Amino acid sequence: KAGVTQTPRYLIKTRGQQVTLSCSPISGHRSVSWYQQTPGQGLQFLFEYFSETQRNKGNFPGRFSGRQFSNSRSEMNVSTLELGDSALYLCASSLFTGVSEAFFGQGTRLTVV
Amino acid sequence: ELKVEQNPLFLSMQEGKNYTIYCNYSTTSDRLYWYRQDPGKSLESLFVLLSNGAVKQEGRLMASLDTKARLSTLHITAAVHDLSATYFCAENAGGTSYGKLTFGQGTILTVHP
Repeated sequence: KAGVTQTPRYLIKTRGQQVTLSCSPISGHRSVSWYQQTPGQGLQFLFEYFSETQRNKGNFPGRFSGRQFSNSRSEMNVSTLELGDSALYLCASSLFTGVSEAFFGQGTRLTVV
Repeated sequence: ELKVEQNPLFLSMQEGKNYTIYCNYSTTSDRLYWYRQDPGKSLESLFVLLSNGAVKQEGRLMASLDTKARLSTLHITAAVHDLSATYFCAENAGGTSYGKLTFGQGTILTVHP
């Protein structure tokens, strides 16, 4: 059974640019969540999508957005990149929302220069 | 604001010794998760604890949940070098939190001969 797939694995972007990250969940999983991991702030929740609807959003500025498609694949977008956006972005998928075990992808390492 | 606090944050152990990582959380949730992260890697799900008194064991690791004390523990028995990693606990507050996990700071475990 294939795991959670995130693309790309590594990205280098310049301040002010925008970036789109992709996440393909485990087949049959309908919930996709996104997290940002930095050495200073640790793991922080960005948002969660379930059946193409954003169910929950973390405390991040509006530059961070996401969406989910009918096949449960999800994308997140960060516009007007700042140096502080450099982080490991992790996607997690779960069968349902809330109770189910969440499985994480390998992450996308974003570096903003 | 939800808070999840782990201690210790750094743990240096000798092989063969036992130790416990503590995870205190702030809500009345009965959903607690433990993850492992190796350097540069993603999060690997270790345990899902979904009720008061839940105890789960896998190899040298055992996790428990006390919802009345809002405390989960991860006990390491006879540590081996392969257990060296960062361990995170995470809480799902339930209700409208849906798939949102609130993570602790992580405990960096180093097992040495």
